[in-house]
Amino acid sequence: AQRVTQPEKLLSVFKGAPVELKCNYSYSGSPELFWYVQYSRQRLQLLLRHISRESIKGFTADLNKGETSFHLKKPFAQEEDSAMYYCALMRYGGSQGNLIFGKGTKLSVKP
Amino acid sequence: DAGITQSPRHKVTETGTPVTLRCHQTENHRYMYWYRQDPGHGLRLIHYSYGVKDTDKGEVSDGYSVSRSKTEDFLLTLESATSSQTSVYFCAISEGIIPGEQYFGPGTRLTVT
Repeated sequence: AQRVTQPEKLLSVFKGAPVELKCNYSYSGSPELFWYVQYSRQRLQLLLRHISRESIKGFTADLNKGETSFHLKKPFAQEEDSAMYYCALMRYGGSQGNLIFGKGTKLSVKP
Repeated sequence: DAGITQSPRHKVTETGTPVTLRCHQTENHRYMYWYRQDPGHGLRLIHYSYGVKDTDKGEVSDGYSVSRSKTEDFLLTLESATSSQTSVYFCAISEGIIPGEQYFGPGTRLTVT
């Protein structure tokens, strides 16, 4: 079964510390993975997609097919990074593909 | 904000009452989605649409129906609201080139008493 697992509900770090938000997936085909972020009182927005291999707001994520992981990393956390982060997997089938979201990790960056 | 609005933004209703939530887009995107967001569950897909009058079920569709009579509007109906449907509901759109790249509305907080 297709599944996205984010093992940490809450991750708390100090400003300037490295951050790694974990995401593991289960998918039989070639995965398409995304990270979405939701800042307090704002709408959900796309942060990263693995196919573009870009860095947004200092965050990067590398797809590791061997470990079936797509961890989100940032070398130096900032207070404004505090938010809810969701890993999502694109599932194709039926009339059209759709996203499967993990349960989310709340990142808290302390001053 | 990708031209997506949701109405109402907040609603309190009683068990057994029908409720309709509206998602409106100005982007003319083909794909529209309804999700619910609950603590400990993340976002779960309720229904989605891949064109006018073309809809399909998501993973938590029981108790919900949808309609899309024109490109810009996607309606979510709870025929008879239950307390388990208390949630925050998000609409999203996608132009479909990269289906996983979705743009979300501001959300509707629904409380069923």
